Amino acid sequence: DGGITQSPKYLFRKEGQNVTLSCEQNLNHDAMYWYRQDPGQGLRLIYYSQIVNDFQKGDIAEGYSVSREKKESFPLTVTSAQKNPTAFYLCASSVRSGTMYNEQFFGPGTRLTVL
Amino acid sequence: GQQVMQIPQYQHVQEGEDFTTYCNSSTTLSNIQWYKQRPGGHPVFLIQLVKSGEVKKQKRLTFQFGEAKKNSSLHITATQTTDVGTYFCAGHHSGAGSYQLTFGKGTKLSVIP
Repeated sequence: DGGITQSPKYLFRKEGQNVTLSCEQNLNHDAMYWYRQDPGQGLRLIYYSQIVNDFQKGDIAEGYSVSREKKESFPLTVTSAQKNPTAFYLCASSVRSGTMYNEQFFGPGTRLTVL
Repeated sequence: GQQVMQIPQYQHVQEGEDFTTYCNSSTTLSNIQWYKQRPGGHPVFLIQLVKSGEVKKQKRLTFQFGEAKKNSSLHITATQTTDVGTYFCAGHHSGAGSYQLTFGKGTKLSVIP
């Protein structure tokens, strides 16, 4: 069964702690993305990666870090430097078609609450 | 950064009424995609439009891409309670490296039975 998995679904952390969100895909997609969703704000891009061992900052990368050591995996670390980390985090992937990417497939998301 | 504006932010309709959401970009888009997110769920791809003036239909849903490739709309005819959710447009801006998708803020649709 192909798809994107994110774990855990709900995550609680104390303020000042780093936390890593998992994202795995078995769709053999080249590109992977991390978005943050806040109520009424739509989806904002944190980081994206087009290829293994390479990634670029999105619009709101401050306080976050990523790695892409394997094609299937794109974990996101929310660091203590992120001032307002409580949000719904979505991972997505897509396949390249020429110079563009096709539709994005989203995982179920992780709802992070920092206490 | 580049933005895609989407209106309205919220729409409440009586079941059976029509619904339309609009997206606008200040710059030309290579393509535009539409997604639906059910309450508590994740965005799910609906359709992609690429050509200037393109119109596509999926049952009661009609998608349009403007002639200048700067705006788009999604129209739902005779809404049903299953249409409830937030509808997002997302565009790839023209130029090198069209790999970053810019999402509108979405239109949250409520359908009153």
